Amino acid sequence: DTAVSQTPKYLVTQMGNDKSIKCEQNLGHDTMYWYKQDSKKFLKIMFSYNNKELIINETVPNRFSPKSPDKAHLNLHINSLELGDSAVYFCASSQYGGPNYEQYFGPGTRLTVT
Amino acid sequence: QQQVKQSPQSLIVQKGGISIINCAYENTAFDYFPWYQQFPGKGPALLIAIRPDVSEKKEGRFTISFNKSAKQFSLHIMDSQPGDSATYFCAATAEVTDSWGKLQFGAGTQVVVTP
Repeated sequence: DTAVSQTPKYLVTQMGNDKSIKCEQNLGHDTMYWYKQDSKKFLKIMFSYNNKELIINETVPNRFSPKSPDKAHLNLHINSLELGDSAVYFCASSQYGGPNYEQYFGPGTRLTVT
Repeated sequence: QQQVKQSPQSLIVQKGGISIINCAYENTAFDYFPWYQQFPGKGPALLIAIRPDVSEKKEGRFTISFNKSAKQFSLHIMDSQPGDSATYFCAATAEVTDSWGKLQFGAGTQVVVTP
């Protein structure tokens, strides 16, 4: 199936740990994003990459570091996890300059920090 | 600061009724206004979108109305069905290179359609 996939779907960890979330898309898109959805369901963009180059970097703590090994993959590494990092993280992809801006979202990774 | 304000926070509508969700924005550079639908445990999915050069766009039971002068847009769901029960997000973005694809989302509206 063509889609945006994320692993893991659920992640439970303790404060202070380091964790990674992986994202892959097979839609042939050249731009990928990370969004954070908080407990009130508010969606906020964190980063975007176009052809492995960072183009959007919102006000996100330095503990969050995205990495794009190729245009089909965008991973998110989080250092020294804090309670406030608990949220659902969505990966998305789109085609840069495409006429409709449509972003395709993955199923999300629910991160719980205890 | 939230750049797109969405209301209501939630609404309950009977099957066959009309659901109306409203959004307002301030940034006149926004040139693309999508609506996303999200079911529990799933990622948001594009439902319908509009550009400011048209005042209305209809796709099946879903219609966007756009008022450029008032900087407002709304989603109407006609003949609402139980399967429409979901959270709906309006969003906006501007076609500028350093912010391309940067969707500014509203806070979301949880719609419940009763049988």
